[in-house]
Amino acid sequence: GDQVEQSPSALSLHEGTGSALRCNFTTTMRAVQWFRKNSRGSLINLFYLASGTKENGRLKSAFDSKERYSTLHIRDAQLEDSGTYFCAAEAGTGGYKVVFGSGTRLLVSP
Amino acid sequence: EAAVTQSPRSKVAVTGGKVTLSCHQTNNHDYMYWYRQDTGHGLRLIHYSYVADSTEKGDIPDGYKASRPSQENFSLILELASLSQTAVYFCASSLGGPSQNTLYFGAGTRLSVL
Repeated sequence: GDQVEQSPSALSLHEGTGSALRCNFTTTMRAVQWFRKNSRGSLINLFYLASGTKENGRLKSAFDSKERYSTLHIRDAQLEDSGTYFCAAEAGTGGYKVVFGSGTRLLVSP
Repeated sequence: EAAVTQSPRSKVAVTGGKVTLSCHQTNNHDYMYWYRQDTGHGLRLIHYSYVADSTEKGDIPDGYKASRPSQENFSLILELASLSQTAVYFCASSLGGPSQNTLYFGAGTRLSVL
């Protein structure tokens, strides 16, 4: 079964507001990566975290392997932030395995 | 900036036909991956490779073959395309290693099997 639960599945924000996306993991993950898929279909790397938090402009992400979750905070949302956001978690067990969340469709409106 | 190029960007194939999706990276990365995206499922790993001339099965390998003839190139092959393989396919690369697994994605290939 799926090991990553991403929420919400859809989110509407007005310009200037903020919110948080969350991914919960059913098992221990070694690292997490966040992407944004834009209207052209390209996947843009946002963050890669093995622990702690990272911030880049209006985006901030946190990853807690022990508590099995990761968050992506968006503040002062802009129209160009619209798109689908994915988290991808790297399993902590042997071998290589990355599991993606099902995505959050974000629409930022004026 | 890392560069991963997929071709074609879109393709229409007939059921039972052979389809080859190509991926080329100029990042000097060891790892390359093929994912498919279906609505509600996020991205699922089909095949990956960590060295030339070797491929590994991902989570959903059935119906797909992969080929890594060189470090730069990784192909996904559908020998007998089926309707259920209609999806968007993404190729990705990464340097490899637990601390170097940032994934760099191509723009995607939209495949429609009719």
